[in-house]
Formats: sequence, structure tokens, C-alpha cells
Amino acid sequence: DVKVTQSSRYLVKRTGEKVFLECVQDMDHENMFWYRQDPGLGLRLIYFSYDVKMKEKGDIPEGYSVSREKKERFSLILESASTNQTSMYLCASRGQGYGYTFGSGTRLTVV
Amino acid sequence: SQQGEEDPQALSIQEGENATMNCSYKTSINNLQWYRQNSGRGLVHLILIRSNEREKHSGRLRVTLDTSKKSSSLLITASRAADTASYFCATAPIASSASKIIFGSGTRLSIRP
Repeated sequence: DVKVTQSSRYLVKRTGEKVFLECVQDMDHENMFWYRQDPGLGLRLIYFSYDVKMKEKGDIPEGYSVSREKKERFSLILESASTNQTSMYLCASRGQGYGYTFGSGTRLTVV
Repeated sequence: SQQGEEDPQALSIQEGENATMNCSYKTSINNLQWYRQNSGRGLVHLILIRSNEREKHSGRLRVTLDTSKKSSSLLITASRAADTASYFCATAPIASSASKIIFGSGTRLSIRP
């Protein structure tokens, strides 16, 4: 079974901390994505990457950065966490087909 | 901006009944996909329908696409308790990057035993 693994299911961080959310896929997919999901707002794209070391901003990149040093790993970085970044974060990957494979999500709380 | 908008936002039906969810979108698309999300989990890809297709089946799922009305429907037949989840449509706009799809806000489906 193909897999996208997010390193943490639940995370609690303090305001101002630098936060790393890790995502690893084992399908040799070129494309990887980070979304955040909030009630009533659906899934919003933060950043995506279509190749190693390549990245593009999504709809809400402010306050976030990403890193893709290896094909299988796509990291989301919150430079200085704020309470409005409390959310469910979802990583996904896509290969040659059109369907996305999602990880189980990381529920981040910033206090 | 939301490309896909699901309707209704919430749906509660009796086990065994059929569930129909609708999705409307605004721009021309390459394909439309449906996903399921169980509470607190990631999304699972259910089915994809291309812009030149009108109907597609997968098990108890039936998806239709009407590009003239820019709408799609997802029908789940003979619903089961395990179908309780949120369902999202996602569109791949022609004008967008080939990799990007846009999700709607979802329909919360509850199956009553």
C-alpha cells in the first residue's frame, strides 16, 4: 500500500516557536502538497513542490516556508508560530495519476 | 476562492438509503475528483471523472459530471454506517498548474442506524 506519513498526529507549541512538520512518501511521487484545514474553510493550499528543491506558493503561504531536499520528504516550517496557525495540517502527494494520497494529518495547537 | 462548492453542507439519512451530494464549480476543468474524510483523519481518494466523461461507477459509488452546468454529483447507494464521513469534491482547472486541484468545503454525511 502506498503511504504518506506525517511525523506527528498531535503537536502543541508555544507562540513564537519555530515549528517543523515533516511528511514522507514512499511512492516516488514528484508532486507534494501542504494544506491546512479549518472548520468552514475547507482545505487551503499552503505550498506545493513538483520536484526536489522546487516549490511554489499556494493560496495562503504567509507565515510558512517549505523544504524539499529529497524527493520523498516535504517539510513545512512555521517560522514563528502564532495562535492563528492552530489548525489541522494535511500533506499529500501525487504521481503520474491524478489522485492525491493524503497523510493522516497533524493537529497543531499553538498556545 | 472556492472552485468547488458542495451541497448540501450536511446530510443525515437512514442506513440502507441512498445519499446524493452535489458539487458546483466555476471554471473549465480537466477532471473532477471526490474524496472521503473520516473524522480527524486524512482524505481518501474515491473516484476521478474526466471532463469528457459523463458518468462513472465504482462499487456503490456513482459519479456524474455535467460540464455544461459545471456540476457533479456523487451517489452512494445502500448506505452503511461506515459511510459516515465528510465528502469533498476537488477540481483540476484547465488554467491552473497541472498538479494543483482545488477542494470544496465538503458535505458531512451521517448514516443513522
